[in-house]
Amino acid sequence: DAGITQSPRYKITETGRQVTLMCHQTWSHSYMFWYRQDLGHGLRLIYYSAAADITDKGEVPDGYVVSRSKTENFPLTLESATRSQTSVYFCASRNRVVGELFFGEGSRLTVL
Amino acid sequence: QQQVKQSPQSLIVQKGGISIINCAYENTAFDYFPWYQQFPGKGPALLIAIRPDVSEKKEGRFTISFNKSAKQFSLHIMDSQPGDSATYFCAASLNTGFQKLVFGTGTRLLVSP
Repeated sequence: DAGITQSPRYKITETGRQVTLMCHQTWSHSYMFWYRQDLGHGLRLIYYSAAADITDKGEVPDGYVVSRSKTENFPLTLESATRSQTSVYFCASRNRVVGELFFGEGSRLTVL
Repeated sequence: QQQVKQSPQSLIVQKGGISIINCAYENTAFDYFPWYQQFPGKGPALLIAIRPDVSEKKEGRFTISFNKSAKQFSLHIMDSQPGDSATYFCAASLNTGFQKLVFGTGTRLLVSP
């Protein structure tokens, strides 16, 4: 199916473990984003990418790593998960420098 | 400078009523103001957006009102319906260069039948 898909949708892990959240889009959009959503904070940008092999930090990048070897994939890795990283993570993409963002359905991560 | 302040945090409106959500921004260079709608368990989706060259934009029952001098913009939902119950996020960004949206904290709207 066309669109943007995230996996896993739900994940429970323990403090200190590495976790990777996957994001795949079928539109060949150049621009991809990772946001985290927390009550009282809205959506905060973690990392973004303008093209394959081009990534940059957003508002809250500490503790996260991204890569983009292929246009369609933009995985987000928590190298050593902390409880403060318990959140809902959204991947998004768009096809232009400005304009509408298309979001995935989110990955709910709980760090115990 | 990069903040977008959104209020109220939650809102209950009766069916048929008007829902109003307000946002204020600080960065006078912002020139693109979208609203996103999010249903439970789903990602946000663009609802409506405005640029500062107009003071109002209407799409169906949804209207954005924009006050450039006050650095405020608001979403009005006319004839609110239970299906409008969702979380609404305002956002702002520059419309040039690489656009990075700054989101408000969200408003959870409940429209009672």
